[in-house]
Amino acid sequence: NAGVTQTPKFRILKIGQSMTLQCTQDMNHNYMYWYRQDPGMGLKLIYYSVGAGITDKGEVPNGYNVSRSTTEDFPLRLELAAPSQTSVYFCASSYSPNDPGGYNEQFFGPGTRLTVL
Amino acid sequence: QKEVEQNSGPLSVPEGAIASLNCTYSDRGSQSFFWYRQYSGKSPELIMFIYSNGDKEDGRFTAQLNKASQYVSLLIRDSQPSDSATYLCAVNVGSSYKLIFGSGTRLLVRP
Repeated sequence: NAGVTQTPKFRILKIGQSMTLQCTQDMNHNYMYWYRQDPGMGLKLIYYSVGAGITDKGEVPNGYNVSRSTTEDFPLRLELAAPSQTSVYFCASSYSPNDPGGYNEQFFGPGTRLTVL
Repeated sequence: QKEVEQNSGPLSVPEGAIASLNCTYSDRGSQSFFWYRQYSGKSPELIMFIYSNGDKEDGRFTAQLNKASQYVSLLIRDSQPSDSATYLCAVNVGSSYKLIFGSGTRLLVRP
């Protein structure tokens, strides 16, 4: 199993450009998440999905969009990139917990380091 | 706003000592608590989880939870230089599967 894979590893964008960060998992997880991590900070949830066709906003969704057409893929779209979106982006996935709040380890991809100039 | 607080450190301990990392959280409805380790430039990896009051041990790691005080800690016994990393505390939001992460504590283990 490759686990959670992300592409690209690095990207530099100009202000106003758009791009899609790709995320794929091969563990048949229903739950997937997008986080951003600014230097010296923890992870902030951008969007999450509990299954194909179902997505919802996290703590910091502004400036981003997601889609979930398959169980495996959860791409993150940046429209009109801004310097404030310079960050490291992590995709993660987990099994469905048996009940809300139950243990569900999140497996993280290697991250995409994005710089907006 | 739900918050998870950690001392940013760095916490510096000599090799072989016990490292104690602490975390407080604001949401009394939280039920699951996680410790992730993150090496510089790498992604987080889960090392411990706990959801009952008391202690949970796994090898050199012990997680401690006190829901009344809204406090969770991680003890690392016989610290090794390879334990040098940032440790992120994460807490689920209420009864949901979403996590709130603290900003992390940087641990340095001196040889």
